[in-house]
Amino acid sequence: NAGVTQTPKFRILKIGQSMTLQCAQDMNHNYMYWYRQDPGMGLKLIYYSVGAGITDKGEVPNGYNVSRSTTEDFPLRLELAAPSQTSVYFCASSRAHESGYTFGSGTRLTVV
Amino acid sequence: QQPVQSPQAVILREGEDAVINCSSSKALYSVHWYRQKHGEAPIFLMILLKGGEQKGHDKISASFNEKKQQSSLYLTASQLSYSGTYFCGTPETQGGSEKLVFGKGTKLTVNP
Repeated sequence: NAGVTQTPKFRILKIGQSMTLQCAQDMNHNYMYWYRQDPGMGLKLIYYSVGAGITDKGEVPNGYNVSRSTTEDFPLRLELAAPSQTSVYFCASSRAHESGYTFGSGTRLTVV
Repeated sequence: QQPVQSPQAVILREGEDAVINCSSSKALYSVHWYRQKHGEAPIFLMILLKGGEQKGHDKISASFNEKKQQSSLYLTASQLSYSGTYFCGTPETQGGSEKLVFGKGTKLTVNP
């Protein structure tokens, strides 16, 4: 049971570079989410998706983009990385909005 | 709006009990609880629905008072494995879709 798989686990970016954080789930969940976690601040929602082809902004979407072409994959794109995007990024999925979320193991990103 | 958790941190000896509170300024119909160990992903503990109280695994249970817009997580006879940061999550509806907003977390440390 893979659950939610995130790659890479760690990454260091230079200011202005771009990258894609990958997220894949094998549970056939319709709902997928991207959160960022900063120390002492809890989890902040960046983007979410309720199904293939449908995405919407969360609380902190600036500087990020997403796509959802399949049920399984929900990549997060960072364009023009900034130091403020240094964080731990978690992808999650759920069967329904009233179901528990399953989180991936996270990507620790540092922008220097 | 982010739910408010209290206390921010708790230190216990093994076998002691703890209560973690989560309150919202908005009307609630459900509350999620998660536990996150250092360097790991959050793990779903339980969801409480309006009018219900649900027991989770081990000796962890929770209550939900929708009138007071509050939920409490009870950890009984704590074990070393209970150490971690506990988050509550409350649903918000946006454009017909729902997503969770998480509190800042309560750090629980259980010592031998």
